[in-house]
Amino acid sequence: EVQLVQSGAEVKKPGESLRISCKGSGYTFSSFWIAWVRQMPGKGLEWMGIIYPYDSDTRYNPSFQGQVTISADKSIRTAYLQWSSLKASDTAIYYCARPPNTSSARGGMDVWGQGTTVTVSS
Amino acid sequence: QTVVTQEPSFSVSPGGTVTLTCGLTSGSVSTSYYPSWYQQTPGQAPRTLIYSTNTRSSGVPDRFSGSIVGNKAALTITGAQADDESDYYCVLYMGSGIYVFGTGTKVTVL
Repeated sequence: EVQLVQSGAEVKKPGESLRISCKGSGYTFSSFWIAWVRQMPGKGLEWMGIIYPYDSDTRYNPSFQGQVTISADKSIRTAYLQWSSLKASDTAIYYCARPPNTSSARGGMDVWGQGTTVTVSS
Repeated sequence: QTVVTQEPSFSVSPGGTVTLTCGLTSGSVSTSYYPSWYQQTPGQAPRTLIYSTNTRSSGVPDRFSGSIVGNKAALTITGAQADDESDYYCVLYMGSGIYVFGTGTKVTVL
């Protein structure tokens, strides 16, 4: 079974750093792009960026460029989303997701992680 | 800035048919945008219904279908059921690995 399993909920203070993870199983992890999607409380889905674990080619939504870092370690089948200095406005649920086709970023997202809730509060 | 538009809300009767659309504030949606559709109920992760315009994701019943209608992508729900009451999002591929989500449509079944 193809699965994306995300790390658990986090509660952080403003200014702290954080890295959340998304581990793939049931498929050749390095051959599929992985995207990150944000959902702020009561709001819609926002596409943040996408990475190709094979060579770490990464593309960002301009709105998130410089605010977060997307990375991947294909040896442990895991993608990451990290912040160096969190703000209260980063409070959201973050999902990872995978497009349907090998080596292509096109086609939408077919498989989703369960989501990681990040709460940033002083 | 590209904005992907969806109807804010729709109401459908049980057993009825509803077509949700996904458009662009500037230009037409075609298959080159690889439109895809997601269903989300409160507290749950999104569930993929349709990708690449009209391909149903694994396990999705055939009463959900995707198409291009005029200058927009469309999701049609045929024979609506109570548990179809959800938020529905589309996403368009803009090229170079970039996607933009639509604003979402809240569907009520009553």
